Amino acid sequence: AQSVSQHNHHVILSEAASLELGCNYSYGGTVNLFWYVQYPGQHLQLLLKYFSGDPLVKGIKGFEAEFIKSKFSFNLRKPSVQWSDTAEYFCAVRGSGTYKYIFGTGTRLKVLA
Amino acid sequence: DGGITQSPKYLFRKEGQNVTLSCEQNLNHDAMYWYRQDPGQGLRLIYYSQIVNDFQKGDIAEGYSVSREKKESFPLTVTSAQKNPTAFYLCASSMQRGEQFFGPGTRLTVL
Repeated sequence: AQSVSQHNHHVILSEAASLELGCNYSYGGTVNLFWYVQYPGQHLQLLLKYFSGDPLVKGIKGFEAEFIKSKFSFNLRKPSVQWSDTAEYFCAVRGSGTYKYIFGTGTRLKVLA
Repeated sequence: DGGITQSPKYLFRKEGQNVTLSCEQNLNHDAMYWYRQDPGQGLRLIYYSQIVNDFQKGDIAEGYSVSREKKESFPLTVTSAQKNPTAFYLCASSMQRGEQFFGPGTRLTVL
């Protein structure tokens, strides 16, 4: 079955700590991968995406993610988090050439000032 | 401004009533989507449409219906058959090769 797994449901960090949020997917075939963020009271917005090429992709606000095909993973990283990174983060996968996206259950990140 | 509009932001209905949530986009995207967001469950796909006059069921379509008569509009009806309709509903759109863009959502409360 096609699925996306986000292992960390709640993460609490202090400012300046490093962040890594896990994302594993199950999907047969070529995929496109996404990380979205939902800040409190705001729309879901795209952080970064992977379609092809360099497996290390950089997004907005200093976030990056690495696609490891052999591990079916697309983990999100940030070297030093800020209080303003407090939000819910969603990983999503879509089969290349398809329209259907599959989302993980999300990770709530709280950054303490 | 280009984007996705959902209305209303908050909606209250009595149990047993059907209710229609509006979603409009001016991004000229081919595909549109409806998701339901519940705490701890992420985004679950209700319906999606790749093209006008065509749509497909998602993972939790029971108790919902949609129409796609115009490219820019994709209304969702929550019927009385939906057993637990109180939730946050998100509409999105995309081109085939690209990311999804999301609307602000509608919070439906059934009393």
